[in-house]
Amino acid sequence: SQQGEEDPQALSIQEGENATMNCSYKTSINNLQWYRQNSGRGLVHLILIRSNEREKHSGRLRVTLDTSKKSSSLLITASRAADTASYFCATDARGAQKLVFGQGTRLTINP
Amino acid sequence: DGGITQSPKYLFRKEGQNVTLSCEQNLNHDAMYWYRQDPGQGLRLIYYSQIVNDFQKGDIAEGYSVSREKKESFPLTVTSAQKNPTAFYLCASSQGPGGGYTFGSGTRLTVV
Repeated sequence: SQQGEEDPQALSIQEGENATMNCSYKTSINNLQWYRQNSGRGLVHLILIRSNEREKHSGRLRVTLDTSKKSSSLLITASRAADTASYFCATDARGAQKLVFGQGTRLTINP
Repeated sequence: DGGITQSPKYLFRKEGQNVTLSCEQNLNHDAMYWYRQDPGQGLRLIYYSQIVNDFQKGDIAEGYSVSREKKESFPLTVTSAQKNPTAFYLCASSQGPGGGYTFGSGTRLTVV
């Protein structure tokens, strides 16, 4: 059961620009998490935002959460070539005891 | 360094064979998970375990089996009943429900 749906599926921007990815989900959550995956590698945890939080920052990352719309966004500012990767949102639904991942957004940063 | 180790990195299986993927963690995490990822797709949950000697089926458990005899280890067996096993398999661990996951580097399984 895929709860998180990312949008867009793919995004290509120039280095230095900002990248925004969106995630929508269906049920009530305890928290929502964002992960990065470089090609052929495991996922790396980026940031966790709890259901009672609206915005969270970590370095060049900014995550927002709107529980009324059941959506989240991940903003990467001043993108770099090293940010090229797939980004996944994952939801910790209430009572689920496990994360459910979306399909991911493939981000390409062009030099 | 604490982390989670998957082995082997690449694995080839003949038709009708069972193969076992290893996952070991030294993070003292209680929970462990197995996911399957197909090309260009998200992650689908195969099995998970919140505590030693206990595990639950995920969304696509058919054709797979697991054991959790030790806190550090959560091996996945891909049986001959799994008709389309070619995929990238990811193991993860977490301190408990709701926390962030630490992932291994994955095992790429190919049927030959």
